Amino acid sequence: NAGVMQNPRHLVRRRGQEARLRCSPMKGHSHVYWYRQLPEEGLKFMVYLQKENIIDESGMPKERFSAEFPKEGPSILRIQQVVRGDSAAYFCASSPTGRRRQETQYFGPGTRLLVL
Amino acid sequence: AQTVTQSQPEMSVQEAETVTLSCTYDTSESNYYLFWYKQPPSRQMILVIRQEAYKQQNATENRFSVNFQKAAKSFSLKISDSQLGDTAMYFCAFMNPTGYALNFGKGTSLLVTP
Repeated sequence: NAGVMQNPRHLVRRRGQEARLRCSPMKGHSHVYWYRQLPEEGLKFMVYLQKENIIDESGMPKERFSAEFPKEGPSILRIQQVVRGDSAAYFCASSPTGRRRQETQYFGPGTRLLVL
Repeated sequence: AQTVTQSQPEMSVQEAETVTLSCTYDTSESNYYLFWYKQPPSRQMILVIRQEAYKQQNATENRFSVNFQKAAKSFSLKISDSQLGDTAMYFCAFMNPTGYALNFGKGTSLLVTP
């Protein structure tokens, strides 16, 4: 059973470009969470999605960031007009049903975004 | 908002020895969930152990165990018989029962030496 998959593993963008980060949850998981890890910091929650629904985006910056989890295909975290402060590791996690009392979140290997 | 504090930025232990990593948290909730995640040099986040606050018994997973002190809001991780492969960043995390976001501490870098 494959784990959570993220691609690309490393992404380099110049300021002003767009970054698209992809996450495929574990087989049988329908809930996805995105976290960001700045250098020397712990992970910070960004957004929680189910298929075709954003459940909680309270950790997402108000501008330039968006996330989706379509009926078919991976979840996408999109960053428009990237700035150097967006350089970070972005982790995706998944869980089976999202019932909070029950579940552990399983993490992918992360995408390292570097903005030049 | 809950805060998670890991007061030891770096620790070192010799192979086969025991080491304890500390974690404290702040919450007004009575029921919640605590986790330890490991991030080795590969940067993959790996679950080490979890604890439900309503359970008095400390969780154990092979060489990893926790000392959960609810009144003191303390959740330390003990690694017994340390192995070189235990070298990693260790993150303590908190989840309250009404949310799904994990709140992470800043991590402790553990180095296991031969």
